[in-house]
Amino acid sequence: AQTVTQSQPEMSVQEAETVTLSCTYDTSESDYYLFWYKQPPSRQMILVIRQEAYKQQNATENRFSVNFQKAAKSFSLKISDSQLGDAAMYFCAYRSSAQGGSEKLVFGKGTKLTVNP
Amino acid sequence: DAGVIQSPRHEVTEMGQEVTLRCKPISGHDYLFWYRQTMMRGLELLIYFNNNVPIDDSGMPEDRFSAKMPNASFSTLKIQPSEPRDSAVYFCASATWFYGYTFGSGTRLTVV
Repeated sequence: AQTVTQSQPEMSVQEAETVTLSCTYDTSESDYYLFWYKQPPSRQMILVIRQEAYKQQNATENRFSVNFQKAAKSFSLKISDSQLGDAAMYFCAYRSSAQGGSEKLVFGKGTKLTVNP
Repeated sequence: DAGVIQSPRHEVTEMGQEVTLRCKPISGHDYLFWYRQTMMRGLELLIYFNNNVPIDDSGMPEDRFSAKMPNASFSTLKIQPSEPRDSAVYFCASATWFYGYTFGSGTRLTVV
C-alpha cells in the first residue's frame, strides 16, 4: 500500500520570505500523481498544485512550485514571497494513475504553516 | 459551477441517533469520495463510487456506517446509531479520472 509522510508537523515563515514543505512517499508503482492541498481555517480543501510522475519538469503555479525527485520519492512544496493568506495546513497526497490502480487519494498527516508579519 | 455541495455544514446530535450527511458532486464528475478527518487519524477514505457504483468501502469503520449514491448528482453517508467517537469532519469530493479532486466544505459532526 502507498504511504505519504510529512515529517514537519509545523513550520513558520516570515511574510515575503520563502518556505519549503517536505513530503516523501512510498510506492511500487511507476505511474501516479502527486498533489499539494491547502486547508485554511475555513476547512475547505484547496488544490494548490499537482505533478504527474512521468513528467520530469517540476510543476509551478504562480508563487508555488514543487521539487519532484522521483528516484528519491520526494515531493517538496516551495512557497515564494509568503503571504499572510498562505497560513494553513498543507497536505501532500498521492494517487495512482496505473491501469487497474486505485483512484483514491492517500494523504500525509499535514504540515501547519504559520506566516509571521 | 457551484462546486461540491455538502449539507449540513454542522451537525450536533445525541449518541444513538441517526445522522445523514449529504453531498452533491460536480456535474460530469464520475467519481465520488467520502473522507473523514480527525486530529488523531488525519484524512481517511471511507468509501468511493465510480459511476454511482461503490468501488471500495474498506475504510468504512463498521456496520453502523452506510453510503449510497442513487444517482450521479447525489450521495448520502449515514451513521446509525451514532457514537461520540464518530465526531469528525466528513468531506465529500468528486473527480474525473484525469484531474484532481474537488472537495466540498465538509460537515462537522459532533456526537454528544
